[in-house]
Amino acid sequence: DAGVIQSPRHEVTEMGQEVTLRCKPISGHDYLFWYRQTMMRGLELLIYFNNNVPIDDSGMPEDRFSAKMPNASFSTLKIQPSEPRDSAVYFCASSPDRANQPQHFGDGTRLSIL
Amino acid sequence: AQKVTQAQTEISVVEKEDVTLDCVYETRDTTYYLFWYKQPPSGELVFLIRRNSFDEQNEISGRYSWNFQKSTSSFNFTITASQVVDSAVYFCALSEAVKGGSEKLVFGKGTKLTVNP
Repeated sequence: DAGVIQSPRHEVTEMGQEVTLRCKPISGHDYLFWYRQTMMRGLELLIYFNNNVPIDDSGMPEDRFSAKMPNASFSTLKIQPSEPRDSAVYFCASSPDRANQPQHFGDGTRLSIL
Repeated sequence: AQKVTQAQTEISVVEKEDVTLDCVYETRDTTYYLFWYKQPPSGELVFLIRRNSFDEQNEISGRYSWNFQKSTSSFNFTITASQVVDSAVYFCALSEAVKGGSEKLVFGKGTKLTVNP
């Protein structure tokens, strides 16, 4: 079975540009999570969806960040405009019917904003 | 608020040594779940174990074992006869009830384990 698929694996862009990160969850998983990992703050939950509906976005740092899940097999995390402090590894994870089931993580997107 | 503390930032051992990674958590929930994840140098996060708050039985899986003690709010992870391939960052996590009736994971800062040949 395919795991959680994220793209791109690496992204380098200049400050002010729009960045779009993509995620395909495991088929049949109802929950999708976006995390950010930095040295300073560790792993932080940004937002999560249940059945394509955003449930908790309290971790989204500011209005420059937005996330969508137009269908059960695709989600995007967008940063516009990007800033150097957004540089981090962004993980997408999915889990079955309840969120305290094991979350399966993608390989992450390493984002560098110059 | 929920909190997970992994006091050991880095541990270095020699192959075949046993090593224990500590995890202490804080929660006011009576029902909760604890997790361990492994992040090898390649960067992905690999699920290792999930334990609910009502099950204090220790678990063993090969060279890995977990000791859950509610009395001390700890969920420690031991690797027996460590191998170089065990080198990774290990994260302990706690599920936290959030709005919408579901839960999210709160992660500790991780312990970087280096196993030297």
